[in-house]
Amino acid sequence: AQKITQTQPGMFVQEKEAVTLDCTYDTSDQSYGLFWYKQPSSGEMIFLIYQGSYDEQNATEGRYSLNFQKARKSANLVISASQLGDSAMYFCAMREGRDDKIIFGKGTRLHILP
Amino acid sequence: SQTIHQWPATLVQPVGSPLSLECTVEGTSNPNLYWYRQAAGRGLQLLFYSVGIGQISSEVPQNLSASRPQDRQFILSSKKLLLSDSGFYLCAWRRAFSVTDTQYFGPGTRLTVL
Repeated sequence: AQKITQTQPGMFVQEKEAVTLDCTYDTSDQSYGLFWYKQPSSGEMIFLIYQGSYDEQNATEGRYSLNFQKARKSANLVISASQLGDSAMYFCAMREGRDDKIIFGKGTRLHILP
Repeated sequence: SQTIHQWPATLVQPVGSPLSLECTVEGTSNPNLYWYRQAAGRGLQLLFYSVGIGQISSEVPQNLSASRPQDRQFILSSKKLLLSDSGFYLCAWRRAFSVTDTQYFGPGTRLTVL
């Protein structure tokens, strides 16, 4: 079974609109971490935001926020006021417990339209 | 601050030839190190990770191998490349013994096997 599921292979959004990228995860651990990365066409992987399983508040980093719904095992990324430069591939990822490795979802390709 | 380097940036190799990709990290000690492969338009596949010199964990059986001859050096190798080895190879590091710290990625190596 997949640990990280991103159900949207591609999305098209008008510039300046808010965007929600879906991510659900599967784990039996009580302690885990959730991450979002951005990969522009250049290929570099850029860390965006982190949410710990025990964090009571949703993580925010500038225009990025993570909508963490623990009971639903959901960790959606919200980008407010989208910009053309937000066009990229976005990956959700998880680290379980004190594991040393991070498991990635298959990604969502986001296209911002002018 | 910490930086991670990968070389070469691009590589074109014939089938059956050997491979050596290098990754080095600066500005930190005893990092966890990771090799990922990304096929065109796909997600990230964890290949190897290392929590210390000489300690390598393999995630996927294949004709690749990894070594960590020094604390901040991680090498990905192959004796004979296959067509299926083509892809984008990303090295990443993470601070050891940290529950929350994310992985930071290098710029990647784009490998084409012909």
